[in-house]
Amino acid sequence: AQSVTQLDSHVSVSEGTPVLLRCNYSSSYSPSLFWYVQHPNKGLQLLLKYTSAATLVKGINGFEAEFKKSETSFHLTKPSAHMSDAAEYFCVVSEGGGGTSYGKLTFGQGTILTVHP
Amino acid sequence: NAGVTQTPKFRVLKTGQSMTLLCAQDMNHEYMYWYRQDPGMGLRLIHYSVGEGTTAKGEVPDGYNVSRLKKQNFLLGLESAAPSQTSVYFCASSSRDSYYGYTFGSGTRLTVV
Repeated sequence: AQSVTQLDSHVSVSEGTPVLLRCNYSSSYSPSLFWYVQHPNKGLQLLLKYTSAATLVKGINGFEAEFKKSETSFHLTKPSAHMSDAAEYFCVVSEGGGGTSYGKLTFGQGTILTVHP
Repeated sequence: NAGVTQTPKFRVLKTGQSMTLLCAQDMNHEYMYWYRQDPGMGLRLIHYSVGEGTTAKGEVPDGYNVSRLKKQNFLLGLESAAPSQTSVYFCASSSRDSYYGYTFGSGTRLTVV
């Protein structure tokens, strides 16, 4: 069975400072991993996905994530936070595996990012 | 625009009433899913479908039924609504080789009183 743990339920940063959202996963095979963002009262938007082609994945809006198999982690980072980054972020693992996009998704509990001026 | 469309966007039900949520996608995706989102719990899978005419239970299927008579539509039914089903419901679709991953609808906010 697969599982995802987001290590922080809330993260607060100042505008212009780095962002780190932590995610550990458990999967019995090569996983497909995603980060989604949800702004208040909105749907989910794909930030990036791990396709097994490269361990450092670049996404939209300056976000990136590094897949570390030895640590079973897929942490999301951004060098400089912007006010518009304030949202809830979900780390997600797919049943499909190997970078594919099918099968059941398992979501982490979410991390709410607050950005202070 | 191509994507996943959910109707309705908002609904208030009385306990014991029934309703159907409709999900429609125009991307010819094989897989479709229904999730519910509750605070602090992420999204949890209710039911899913791997193709037209097939459905399967997810993590929290009790109190819900689904049907997928056409490839583009995935219906979620509540036969007798309960306050515990107050939630935001998201539909999603995907394809085995989709570069964009899973596409989500904008959600249905359901309140059962």
